[in-house]
Amino acid sequence: AQKVTQAQTEISVVEKEDVTLDCVYETRDTTYYLFWYKQPPSGELVFLIRRNSFDEQNEISGRYSWNFQKSTSSFNFTITASQVVDSAVYFCALSGNSGGSNYKLTFGKGTLLTVNP
Amino acid sequence: DADVTQTPRNRITKTGKRIMLECSQTKGHDRMYWYRQDPGLGLQLIYYSFDVKDINKGEISDGYSVSRQAQAKFSLSLESAIPNQTALYFCATSEGGSSTDTQYFGPGTRLTVL
Repeated sequence: AQKVTQAQTEISVVEKEDVTLDCVYETRDTTYYLFWYKQPPSGELVFLIRRNSFDEQNEISGRYSWNFQKSTSSFNFTITASQVVDSAVYFCALSGNSGGSNYKLTFGKGTLLTVNP
Repeated sequence: DADVTQTPRNRITKTGKRIMLECSQTKGHDRMYWYRQDPGLGLQLIYYSFDVKDINKGEISDGYSVSRQAQAKFSLSLESAIPNQTALYFCATSEGGSSTDTQYFGPGTRLTVL
C-alpha cells in the first residue's frame, strides 16, 4: 500500500523567511511519481510539480525548490523568501505503476502554511 | 477560461435530497475523477473514469453514483444526501496513457447537507 506522510500540520513564518515542507512516502513500486499541489484560501487545487522516481535531481523554479531523496523516501519542498501569497495548504501526493494503479493519487493530509507580514 | 469547471460552486441542501454535481473540461483528457476533501484530511477518491464506457469505484463510492455523458463531462450524484457528505468536492482530469499521469483539478464544489 502507498502512504504519504506530511508530519507538519501547520507552519507559521514571517514574510521573507525560508520554509521547508516535509513529505515522506512509502511505496513498493519501483517506478513512481511524486507531486506537490497548492490549495490557497480560495480552495482550488493547483499543480506545482511532478517528479519521477528515476530523477533525483533537485529542481528550482523561482523561489520554489524541491529536494527528492530516495534513500530517505522524502520529497521536501522549500520556499525561499516567503511571501504572504504563499499562504496555503500544500499537499504532497504519490502515484505508482503497479497493477495498473498509475491513475491513483495517494495524498498526504497537507501542511497549512501561514506567512505573516 | 478555466480548463476544468465545476457547477455549482456552492450548494446547501437537506437530508434525503438528490444532488448532482457537474464537471466539464476543455483539456481533451480521457480520464476524469471525483474526489472529496474533508477538513484536516487529504483527498479521497470517489469514482474515476478512463473513458466514456469505463467507470470505476474509488475508495469511498458508497452513497454516490456517476455518469460520463461525454469525454468532456463527468457528473457526480448523491442519491439521498446525508450530513456526513458535507465536504468539498473536486473533479480532476488527466491525459491518460502513461505513468506520468498528472491530474489537474477543478475549482471545487462546496456542499453542505443539513
